[in-house]
Amino acid sequence: EDKVVQSPLSLVVHEGDTVTLNCSYEVTNFRSLLWYKQEKKAPTFLFMLTSSGIEKKSGRLSSILDKKELFSILNITATQTGDSAVYLCASRGGAQKLVFGQGTRLTINP
Amino acid sequence: DTAVSQTPKYLVTQMGNDKSIKCEQNLGHDTMYWYKQDSKKFLKIMFSYNNKELIINETVPNRFSPKSPDKAHLNLHINSLELGDSAVYFCASSQEWAGFTDTQYFGPGTRLTVL
Repeated sequence: EDKVVQSPLSLVVHEGDTVTLNCSYEVTNFRSLLWYKQEKKAPTFLFMLTSSGIEKKSGRLSSILDKKELFSILNITATQTGDSAVYLCASRGGAQKLVFGQGTRLTINP
Repeated sequence: DTAVSQTPKYLVTQMGNDKSIKCEQNLGHDTMYWYKQDSKKFLKIMFSYNNKELIINETVPNRFSPKSPDKAHLNLHINSLELGDSAVYFCASSQEWAGFTDTQYFGPGTRLTVL
């Protein structure tokens, strides 16, 4: 069965810190890995990764995929209180469905 | 200018009742999904429709019945509601089923509370 595991489950840091969120996956016929940010409502899309070693960047957020070791990381630099959210990782395999991890709850304290 | 919308946003009901949640997307996408998010924030897929055809049907009690009148709408009907059905239900859509554009866009969610 396809599986996505995120770590840590919870992380509390101070504003300005840099954080790294981890996501490991086991999916059959891997197609893509996606990161979402969920605040109070719907998950909002951050990145989609399909190729190993190519960093995707959006402002202070960046993500990279390692298809050999089956993991991805999401980095957030110079964190702000507005970055506080649950970050969800999901992987899509041959079954054509997104399998989500349990999420990392990130809290940024001022 | 809502992309994926759901109604209602909140639903509080008694055990044993039947209720429906509606979802509409105006993105012109071919594929729509229903997810259940439990209290631990774990998102799990329930159903997926591609061009009104059921593609994914996870191990979900048959009290849950999705219906897609057209490719812009995917409704979820739940019969004989149970306490364990309490969760947030998210609708989502994506451009294609088998293409490379795998990004799914989520609706705002419907928080269902069964008393």
